[in-house]
Amino acid sequence: DAKTTQPPSMDCAEGRAANLPCNHSTISGNEYVYWYRQIHSQGPQYIIHGLKNNETNEMASLIITEDRKSSTLILPHATLRDTAVYYCIVRVAGGGADGLTFGKGTHLIIQP
Amino acid sequence: EPEVTQTPSHQVTQMGQEVILRCVPISNHLYFYWYRQILGQKVEFLVSFYNNEISEKSEIFDDQFSVERPDGSNFTLKIRSTKLEDSAMYFCASNNGPYNEQFFGPGTRLTVL
Repeated sequence: DAKTTQPPSMDCAEGRAANLPCNHSTISGNEYVYWYRQIHSQGPQYIIHGLKNNETNEMASLIITEDRKSSTLILPHATLRDTAVYYCIVRVAGGGADGLTFGKGTHLIIQP
Repeated sequence: EPEVTQTPSHQVTQMGQEVILRCVPISNHLYFYWYRQILGQKVEFLVSFYNNEISEKSEIFDDQFSVERPDGSNFTLKIRSTKLEDSAMYFCASNNGPYNEQFFGPGTRLTVL
């Protein structure tokens, strides 16, 4: 799986949009971009994933650049409960129950 | 909403003892996973399980570890002879397809003394 690069930490004001970047310059054509988050010491939580089109769900939006070398996770109206470590993970599509490879992620701190 | 559950929430054991960590995946899921997270470090994949056999395992998952689905609902991780360095949070996860989102349980904190 391609490697990802994320800033170690970010701050965002409550109520504002949080934009979390991820670089995955070596991504290949059959690799998806997944985002998970981990609130304190809880189990990781799936947020969203995409291949090349922008995606939106009830939690967030995922913007993938046209060359697919980077993406941005957008939390439109951040709340204090969104304070967490956010992980960008690139995975191959295909057979097999591969485990997720977590990096260090971005520690997002929502400020009141 | 269905969820993955894990028991116990905290397990304390002596070095060299065997421990079994238990997980109940979401009922219609077919793929099961164990991960661990040493305090302050990354979440690390241990093993995946499908169709009653190991599908993939990491270098961490050595002969000291084993997994089992003893019945239709439980999924267990056994550590045969615990070491101090096995102290970590252990997370179970499941999904209904190998590239679908994984649902994680709340974790079991294992402390080896």
